[in-house]
Amino acid sequence: NAGVMQNPRHLVRRRGQEARLRCSPMKGHSHVYWYRQLPEEGLKFMVYLQKENIIDESGMPKERFSAEFPKEGPSILRIQQVVRGDSAAYFCASSPGGSGNTIYFGEGSWLTVV
Amino acid sequence: GENVEQHPSTLSVQEGDSAVIKCTYSDSASNYFPWYKQELGKGPQLIIDIRSNVGEKKDQRIAVTLNKTAKHFSLHITETQPEDSAVYFCAASGASGGSYIPTFGRGTSLIVHP
Repeated sequence: NAGVMQNPRHLVRRRGQEARLRCSPMKGHSHVYWYRQLPEEGLKFMVYLQKENIIDESGMPKERFSAEFPKEGPSILRIQQVVRGDSAAYFCASSPGGSGNTIYFGEGSWLTVV
Repeated sequence: GENVEQHPSTLSVQEGDSAVIKCTYSDSASNYFPWYKQELGKGPQLIIDIRSNVGEKKDQRIAVTLNKTAKHFSLHITETQPEDSAVYFCAASGASGGSYIPTFGRGTSLIVHP
């Protein structure tokens, strides 16, 4: 039973380029969360999605960041015109949905902006 | 929204000693409290969780306690081993306002010296 799959694991982008991070949830899970982790810091919530629906994006920066979870295929976190401050580990997690459900994390995507 | 405080930020113990990590939360409606262990370069892994209808839960060398009145919960690791060295995160979720989004503490770096 495959866990949460994220790719790429490591991504290097030059300033101004676009970064696309993909996440496939665990089998049977229909809810996806994206968190960002900066060095020496905790996990900061970014966005919570269901298939074809953004439930909560209160943690997403207002510009350059977007997320989707289409009917078919993985969830995608997209960062346009990356800047050095976007360098971080981005973690996806999934759950069956609903209050108090456990979320399970992927191994993360490490973005480095040079 | 929910706010989770976690202490200490760093904990250094000798192999065989016990380790205790404490968290407090602000939203009295939160009802689910998971703990995650994150090893270097990996995603957070769930190690134990507790729900608000239970005061204590134990799994081998790991136990978690919850005091809903005081709004705090703790992770206890007994007979620590070097492989317990990692960053541990607490989280709270399940607020009545419909927030199924876990809020995380800033993490505790546990170092177990052989």
